Amino acid sequence: SQKIEQNSEALNIQEGKTATLTCNYTNYSPAYLQWYRQDPGRGPVFLLLIRENEKEKRKERLKVTFDTTLKQSLFHITASQPADSATYLCALDQNNAGNMLTFGGGTRLMVKP
Amino acid sequence: DVKVTQSSRYLVKRTGEKVFLECVQDMDHENMFWYRQDPGLGLRLIYFSYDVKMKEKGDIPEGYSVSREKKERFSLILESASTNQTSMYLCASSLTVNYGYTFGSGTRLTVV
Repeated sequence: SQKIEQNSEALNIQEGKTATLTCNYTNYSPAYLQWYRQDPGRGPVFLLLIRENEKEKRKERLKVTFDTTLKQSLFHITASQPADSATYLCALDQNNAGNMLTFGGGTRLMVKP
Repeated sequence: DVKVTQSSRYLVKRTGEKVFLECVQDMDHENMFWYRQDPGLGLRLIYFSYDVKMKEKGDIPEGYSVSREKKERFSLILESASTNQTSMYLCASSLTVNYGYTFGSGTRLTVV
């Protein structure tokens, strides 16, 4: 069966360091992968989309890589700030048609001042 | 910015009641979705719609139905609410595969 795995343990890092979150998947052949941020009690907020032919994508302090051979995406936040503390979710489309997005369980990031 | 508005932030209903959760988006998006989110289980897709009057089952449609009479509005219906439907319900919309989803703030439903 299709599976998306993110580290369920919280990631604690010091302010200013780079946070790296991992998303692994099995039994998918995704054309693209998405990352979202979710704050407690709120809906997820879309951050980045990376396509299978893009090895890396950047947006301000965010960087996402996508390795279709390893079936893995890495999400980096450089120069992290306490305001970056949230749960980060990766998501894949079950049928690559844009209408059946399946989410990983998310990884909670805590940035300490 | 696209806005997805869910009619209630918190809702408490009794077992057996028929419950309507409403969702409205203001950017003419074709696709709309209903998810529920539970601790340890993450976000799970209940139903989605890619056009007016069109609907497709997601991963966990049992006990739910949906209605999309107008493009901007997508309703989730719990025909006979049960305690195991206590959850956070999230509505989302999207334009195409190249864009991410825009989520509403969620409705925390408690069935007693």
